[in-house]
Amino acid sequence: EAQVTQNPRYLITVTGKKLTVTCSQNMNHEYMSWYRQDPGLGLRQIYYSMNVEVTDKGDVPEGYKVSRKEKRNFPLILESPSPNQTSLYFCASRAGTGNIQYFGAGTRLSVL
Amino acid sequence: AQKITQTQPGMFVQEKEAVTLDCTYDTSDQSYGLFWYKQPSSGEMIFLIYQGSYDEQNATEGRYSLNFQKARKSANLVISASQLGDSAMYFCAMREGYRSGGYNKLIFGAGTRLAVHP
Repeated sequence: EAQVTQNPRYLITVTGKKLTVTCSQNMNHEYMSWYRQDPGLGLRQIYYSMNVEVTDKGDVPEGYKVSRKEKRNFPLILESPSPNQTSLYFCASRAGTGNIQYFGAGTRLSVL
Repeated sequence: AQKITQTQPGMFVQEKEAVTLDCTYDTSDQSYGLFWYKQPSSGEMIFLIYQGSYDEQNATEGRYSLNFQKARKSANLVISASQLGDSAMYFCAMREGYRSGGYNKLIFGAGTRLAVHP
């Protein structure tokens, strides 16, 4: 089954404790992206990657890092999480020439 | 300025009736794409329908259709014969073209929460 898999689905952590949210897709998509969803704001892009070793900032990249060492994986790293990073996070992927972005199930993060 | 505007924070519809969710957009690109996603209470984002700016026909996917009015910059989602399972948050999104630098992201509206009543 074609899918985007995020882990964990739920995470509660404390300020300053580094964490990684993993994202993997099995569709051989070139493009992958991370979004955060906050009430009243819809989804906003954090980072995206056009292919292996090619990443770029989205609209809200501060406090986040990403890497793309393999085509299927695109982890999101929070080096020193803060309470304002409490949010619902989505990973998405699409084919390089495609239009449709397919989303993972989401990761609900709470930073205390 | 907001690029995607969804003016209806919440909507109610009776089961089996049709409902229209509004979306207006703002772009100076000639080439762009418009999307609708559904987010049920479980939280996942489900792709519903896509309309390209050069598509002459309105997109349809089963009970979903996109009423695309280019001159008015609107891309309303029409759900026919509503079902209880349609109760969810609905997001309109846009992907701009290369010229505006927005090719590599989706811009989302704030969403409309739809409740279907039996």
